[in-house]
Parts: sequence; C-alpha cells; structure tokens
Amino acid sequence: AQRVTQPEKLLSVFKGAPVELKCNYSYSGSPELFWYVQYSRQRLQLLLRHISRESIKGFTADLNKGETSFHLKKPFAQEEDSAMYYCALLNGGSQGNLIFGKGTKLSVKP
Amino acid sequence: NAGVTQTPKFQVLKTGQSMTLQCAQDMNHEYMSWYRQDPGMGLRLIHYSVGAGITDQGEVPNGYNVSRSTTEDFPLRLLSAAPSQTSVYFCASSPRASSNQPQHFGDGTRLSIL
Repeated sequence: AQRVTQPEKLLSVFKGAPVELKCNYSYSGSPELFWYVQYSRQRLQLLLRHISRESIKGFTADLNKGETSFHLKKPFAQEEDSAMYYCALLNGGSQGNLIFGKGTKLSVKP
Repeated sequence: NAGVTQTPKFQVLKTGQSMTLQCAQDMNHEYMSWYRQDPGMGLRLIHYSVGAGITDQGEVPNGYNVSRSTTEDFPLRLLSAAPSQTSVYFCASSPRASSNQPQHFGDGTRLSIL
C-alpha cells in the first residue's frame, strides 16, 4: 500500500541548530515526493519537490530509494521556520492524488 | 490571479444541517481536490476531479458530495452534517492529474458542527 510516514509529531530545536524532519514512504513504482509547509494561519504551500533538486529557504531534501526516505534538512534553523511540515507522495496513474503524511510541527526556539 | 478561493472561511452548523463549501480557481487547472485536515491525521483526500464532468472518491468520501460542472468550480456538499465532520477543509488544484507540478491550496474553511 502507498503510504507516507512522518514519525515525529513535534520537533523542537534552538535557533541556529540543524534540523531534520523525517519522511519515509511506501510505493511500488518510482516515487515523486514533495514537502509542503503551513505557517500559522496560512494556506499550505509547496516548499520543495525532489524532482527539482532545489534548495528553498535553506531547506534541502534528498530522495534515498534504498531507505525509502525523503528527509527534509536545514543546517541552521531560524525562528521563522516554525511551522507545520507535510511530506507528500504523488499517487501515480490517472489519479494524481497526493498522499500526505500526518505532519511534523517544527518549533524553533530563540 | 486569485489562485484558489474558498468560501466561507468559517462556518458553524447544527447536526443535520446541510451546506456547500465553495471552491473556485482561475488558473484553468484540470485537477481539483478536497482534503480535510484533522489534528494528528494530516490531510486526507475526500473527493477529486480530473476535469469538468468527472469526479471520484478519495480516502474519506462518506457524507460528502461533489460536482464539477465547470473547470473553475468544485463545490463540496455536506448532506447532513455530523460532529465528526468538524474539521478544516482545503481545496487544491493543479494543472492536470498525475502532474508533478505543485498543487495550489486555498486558505481553508474551518467548519464546526454542534
């Protein structure tokens, strides 16, 4: 079954510390993965997608097919990074639906 | 462009009432979807549409109806509201189904059922 697992409900770090939000997936084909972010009282927005291999706001995520992981990393956390982060897997075929993890709330303390 | 617009932003209903959550997009996207967001549950897909006139069920469709008469609009109907439907509802769109283009989300509708 296709599934996205984010094992941490809450992750709390101090400003300037490295941060890693974990995401593991289960998918039979070649996965397309995304990270979405939701800042307080705002809409969900795309942070990055693995196909672009980009760095947004200092965040990166590498797809590791051997470990079926797509962890989100940032070397130095900022207070404005505090938000809810969702890992999502594109359900292939004609549906194109996103399968979301349960989310991780990142809290960056001053 | 307004992107994805949802109305209303907040709504309180009594058990058994019906209502329609509106969603409109002005990006000529083929694919539209509805999610509900609950604490500890993430986002779960309710219904989706790959184009005008085509709808299908997602993970949690019971108690909800949708229609897609135009490309722009994708309303979500609660037939007989129940307290279990208290949630935040998000509408999203993307250029086409199976697209690796990002989905664009609306601001959400916070719905409380008493």
